Amino acid sequence: AQSVTQLDSQVPVFEEAPVELRCNYSSSVSVYLFWYVQYPNQGLQLLLKYLSGSTLVKGINGFEAEFNKSQTSFHLRKPSVHISDTAEYFCAVRRFGNEKLTFGTGTRLTIIP
Amino acid sequence: GAVVSQHPSWVICKSGTSVKIECRSLDFQATTMFWYRQFPKQSLMLMATSNEGSKATYEQGVEKDKFLINHASLTLSTLTVTSAHPEDSSFYICSARGLGGDGTEQYFGPGTRLTVT
Repeated sequence: AQSVTQLDSQVPVFEEAPVELRCNYSSSVSVYLFWYVQYPNQGLQLLLKYLSGSTLVKGINGFEAEFNKSQTSFHLRKPSVHISDTAEYFCAVRRFGNEKLTFGTGTRLTIIP
Repeated sequence: GAVVSQHPSWVICKSGTSVKIECRSLDFQATTMFWYRQFPKQSLMLMATSNEGSKATYEQGVEKDKFLINHASLTLSTLTVTSAHPEDSSFYICSARGLGGDGTEQYFGPGTRLTVT
């Protein structure tokens, strides 16, 4: 079975500052990796995903993430955050050949004006 | 493209009654739909996976007789919470996977907040 750990439950960041949201995973087999964003009272929206190839993945809204196989990490970064980035961010993994997504517990990103 | 809707967006019901939540893929055919439950400030927990025309596969610990799932067409899946109790109050989210693309992406609905009084 696979698992996802998001160590930071809350991350406050000043507007226009950079941010990194951490995600580590555990799996005995190869996985796909995802980051989703959830705005208040809404469903999840895909930010980016890693399937294969380049380990640096660019997504929507200026976010990017880097897959590090040796450290089993997939940290999400943005060089300059905006008030509108205030939301809950979830990291998720999915095993090859399996449709089930396993989510982390989420990180609440709060942007301070 | 790839829009998933849910109805209702919120519902309040009395303990002991049943509630039906609909999940629709608006612009694509969803061969597989997923139902998740999210408690406040927690992650999404997969409840069940349904494929069109076949019985749903429930995750361990989810009562299949309490959470009835029907996936009668390629664009509609329903979740019925039977004999609801206050502990069933939660945010229910569905997602759908279509035939196209790389087959890895699930598109999520906006969720349904259920409150049982």
